[in-house]
Amino acid sequence: GAVVSQHPSWVICKSGTSVKIECRSLDFQATTMFWYRQFPKQSLMLMATSNEGSKATYEQGVEKDKFLINHASLTLSTLTVTSAHPEDSSFYICSARDDINQPQHFGDGTRLSIL
Amino acid sequence: DQQVKQNSPSLSVQEGRISILNCDYTNSMFDYFLWYKKYPAEGPTFLISISSIKDKNEDGRFTVFLNKSAKHLSLHIVPSQPGDSAVYFCAASELLGGGADGLTFGKGTHLIIQP
Repeated sequence: GAVVSQHPSWVICKSGTSVKIECRSLDFQATTMFWYRQFPKQSLMLMATSNEGSKATYEQGVEKDKFLINHASLTLSTLTVTSAHPEDSSFYICSARDDINQPQHFGDGTRLSIL
Repeated sequence: DQQVKQNSPSLSVQEGRISILNCDYTNSMFDYFLWYKKYPAEGPTFLISISSIKDKNEDGRFTVFLNKSAKHLSLHIVPSQPGDSAVYFCAASELLGGGADGLTFGKGTHLIIQP
């Protein structure tokens, strides 16, 4: 149980393109989903926290107008990188939980490469 | 400033021996500590956790030890098996499921089990 599906797993696109990444909880209802980013040889860094039906909470230094997060249902959250540039190239990974007393479950991540 | 540190980027252990992965933290507000295991091209998988009121938690071949006074925890794997070869992330939070700031991760330790 507790499977989180993330799609796509790999994206290569031109600078200026907007990219949408989906995160789905397949067998549980995720009241909270998290979006992390990992640069090479660095740790996973939290970008934002989203609760179903409400606005996402962004970490300091993360531009909310650039990284649009939508958590419209208990099983789906999306991250849209708007007008992506090469410096946005990174590994983006989502996680979900249904209970604050249970560990987060992670998707397999999305490798984003902006040319 | 990194609040969770894994100072060994990699560790090589012979099959059948004990693997010890270390993690240090600086934030005394952390109440839960988790270990995640990550294979290439997959997301992190929850392995084991410990709350700050305990100093040891065991699950099969995996044991986590917590030394609050030293702000140090370690993951012991015994006996080590080839399938244990992966990157291990130490994470911490105020809640098991991640508090308002999600999980704070270390950079990971790449464990290599040699036959």
